[in-house]
Parts: sequence; structure tokens; C-alpha cells
Amino acid sequence: QVQLQESGPGLVKPSETLSLTCTVSGGSLSSYYWNWIRQPPGKGLEWIAYIYYSGSTNYNPSLKSRVTISVDTSKNQFSLILSSVTAADTAIYYCARDLNWFELWGQGTLVTVSS
Amino acid sequence: DIQMTQSPSSLSASVGDRVTITCRASHSISGYLNWYQQKPGKAPKLLIYTASNLQSGVPSRFSGSGSGTDFTLTISSLQPEDFATYYCQQSYITPYTFGQGTKLEI
Repeated sequence: QVQLQESGPGLVKPSETLSLTCTVSGGSLSSYYWNWIRQPPGKGLEWIAYIYYSGSTNYNPSLKSRVTISVDTSKNQFSLILSSVTAADTAIYYCARDLNWFELWGQGTLVTVSS
Repeated sequence: DIQMTQSPSSLSASVGDRVTITCRASHSISGYLNWYQQKPGKAPKLLIYTASNLQSGVPSRFSGSGSGTDFTLTISSLQPEDFATYYCQQSYITPYTFGQGTKLEI
């Protein structure tokens, strides 16, 4: 079955750039929207952005100036870049497949912003 | 942004109880409302999509209803594995937004 797996550094310094990748296994990126969602420790969920397999994107305005999402269909991956991070960006970052509902999630990866 | 407000924020219940969680949207979202269950250390799991559709594999004791601005998630007879945090989420318009969560405790 289709599985999602996030990967990337678990620790990022303040003011630097966070980079994460979601690898899709057991299926194709085609015909789906692919999302990033985050959850600060002990808090609620925040949608960050989505990308369609063809490359069209949509960003949360609260993060839009710092976020870039991209897709690499040859590697069956999509990625998140978040620039100028602060401690407020410390969170578990999830990737998720979207059918107008988040029906498939990765296990999540904790990213801590600290010097 | 559409604000999603869940009530209650926490709820104590017992095995076998019938439980209802409410989600209210700040603007009409038609039926574009989804419910998730999250257990500690795990990713959220989809329970209900578009207000009342049960996701494949989810037990039938879970049900959802509502439209417009007011929605409910009902668990007809609580089982031990249902103690978790529940979130609603609107997919009517971006930015997609979630409720603050309802923690269901014994």
C-alpha cells in the first residue's frame, strides 16, 4: 500500500532554513494533491501548503513569505523549504495526501529550532 | 481565514458511553468538514470526510453530521481504543484550518 515518509534534519539553527522531503512509496504522485502540515509539541495542527503533482501550489498566507513547496515526480518525492526559522517553527512536520481530506499521512518528523 | 471551534476542549467519559463532539465554523463551509483522531506520538487518522462519510476501515460506532457552520462527531459506544484527541478540519477553502482539538479522557 502507499506510504509516506518524511526526512530531513531534526535540528535547525534560528534564522537558517528548514528543508524536508516526503517520499511516496507503493504508489505514484500523479493525480493527487500533496500537503505539509505541522504541529507544535502539545498543540494543534496547522496546514502549511499543498502542491499538485503537476506543480501548482497553494500556501498558507501566514507562512507564504517563507515557504516553498516543490515536487520531483522522477523520485516520487515532494519537498518543503521554510526560511528564516525561529523557535516558533519547532514542530512535528507531517506530509499528507489530499483528496479534499487528508486521507494518508506520514509518521511525522520533529524539527527543533535551537542554537 | 475560517475559524474552527470545537467543544468541549476536553471530555471525561467511560467505556460504553455515547459521546458527541461539536465543531463550529466561523463561516458556512457547506459539507466540507473532516474529522481526525490522534493518539499520542502518532499522526492523525482520518475518521469522517465531507461531514458524514465514514472512512474505509473506521468502525461504524463513529458517525458525523451537519452542514453549513455546525457539525458533530458522535461515538455511539466508547471503546478503550477511542480515548484520544479529535480534530475537525475544513476543506472548503484555503488556508485549510483545524479546530483546536477535543481530548477524550477516561
